[in-house]
Amino acid sequence: AQSVTQPDIHITVSEGASLELRCNYSYGATPYLFWYVQSPGQGLQLLLKYFSGDTLVQGIKGFEAEFKRSQSSFNLRKPSVHWSDAAEYFCAVLGAGSYQLTFGKGTKLSVIP
Amino acid sequence: EAGVTQFPSHSVIEKGQTVTLRCDPISGHDNLYWYRRVMGKEIKFLLHFVKESKQDESGMPNNRFLAERTGGTYSTLKVQPAELEDSGVYFCASSQPGGTEAFFGQGTRLTVV
Repeated sequence: AQSVTQPDIHITVSEGASLELRCNYSYGATPYLFWYVQSPGQGLQLLLKYFSGDTLVQGIKGFEAEFKRSQSSFNLRKPSVHWSDAAEYFCAVLGAGSYQLTFGKGTKLSVIP
Repeated sequence: EAGVTQFPSHSVIEKGQTVTLRCDPISGHDNLYWYRRVMGKEIKFLLHFVKESKQDESGMPNNRFLAERTGGTYSTLKVQPAELEDSGVYFCASSQPGGTEAFFGQGTRLTVV
């Protein structure tokens, strides 16, 4: 069975600082990988996705993520965090031929001025 | 284009009562999914419709939960009778035929007291 681990439950960064949110997955092959964000009072919004090809993918709001097969990781990064990035971030995987997303527990990001 | 819409946004009910959650997917999206996040845990898959047919309901916790999608448009998720452990946020998502990107609604926060 596939699984997703987000080891950091809560991260606090200063505005303007860089950010990296960790995600490790367990799956027998290369899955489809996603990062979603949930801002307060909002639904889940897709930030970016990886299906194949270039292992560095760009998303919305200045986010990027890098797929590393050897580490079974798909970490999310942003070079300079804005106060509006405060939200909860979810990593998810989708097995080939499946429609079920498997989510991590989420990482809550706080941004201090 | 309207996104996935869920009603109500919040619901507080007493144990033993019935609650019905509604989801309106994006127009033209044959695939409709229900997910649930119980406090402090992962977002977990409940079930998947293709048009009006249930394709996968392996995530439904028990027979107190009933999902329908009459006519292949909107969907309802009924909990009867509700128990305390049913509290959480219920997300609906939809995707295009053959699509791997799911678009989520803002969720319904259900509190059973």
